[in-house]
Amino acid sequence: LAKTTQPISMDSYEGQEVNITCSHNNIATNDYITWYQQFPSQGPRFIIQGYKTKVTNEVASLFIPADRKSSTLSLPRVSLSDTAVYYCLVGSLNDMRFGAGTRLTVKP
Amino acid sequence: GAGVSQSPSNKVTEKGKDVELRCDPISGHTALYWYRQSLGQGLEFLIYFQGNSAPDKSGLPSDRFSAERTGGSVSTLTIQRTQQEDSAVYLCASSLAGTSGSGDEQFFGPGTRLTVL
Repeated sequence: LAKTTQPISMDSYEGQEVNITCSHNNIATNDYITWYQQFPSQGPRFIIQGYKTKVTNEVASLFIPADRKSSTLSLPRVSLSDTAVYYCLVGSLNDMRFGAGTRLTVKP
Repeated sequence: GAGVSQSPSNKVTEKGKDVELRCDPISGHTALYWYRQSLGQGLEFLIYFQGNSAPDKSGLPSDRFSAERTGGSVSTLTIQRTQQEDSAVYLCASSLAGTSGSGDEQFFGPGTRLTVL
């Protein structure tokens, strides 16, 4: 399994763009990169998934360089409600494991 | 059902007792996962089922932990002779196990908060 490394915590302010980078040096050819968000007292929920280049949806963008050894989750114009833990997962089909995550704190 | 459900939502037990936690996955989801999350910590993978079989049990922390899944649906996680360090939130997730080749989105239940006194 590809191991992931993320910063333990990050701080930001309302209205700023936040970029969280995840390292996954031994990602396999079939592995996808998925990000989840977890609020206190809730289970994680899916944010975005990608394989290569850039993926964008209504809440985030995911940037994946050509070597796929890292990925960056980009949250545009964060608000206080984006304060949560963000997990990067690497794997394929049903073989994904959660790392420790990045605790994002958005300040007013 | 509309989502993954887990029961009980809260369980308080005494050290040494056995507990059984239940997970009802989303109908049609063939993959089911159990995780454990201690206060303020990340998710710790315990076990995953593909149908009724568990190809990966490597995350179970000790032989006091066991899990089964019958009928490709409901799963139970059993902890025997509970210890205080077993106190945590136990989360269950299910996924479709699609054939598109992409990673499956996991849908999580609300969790069971286990407290061992």
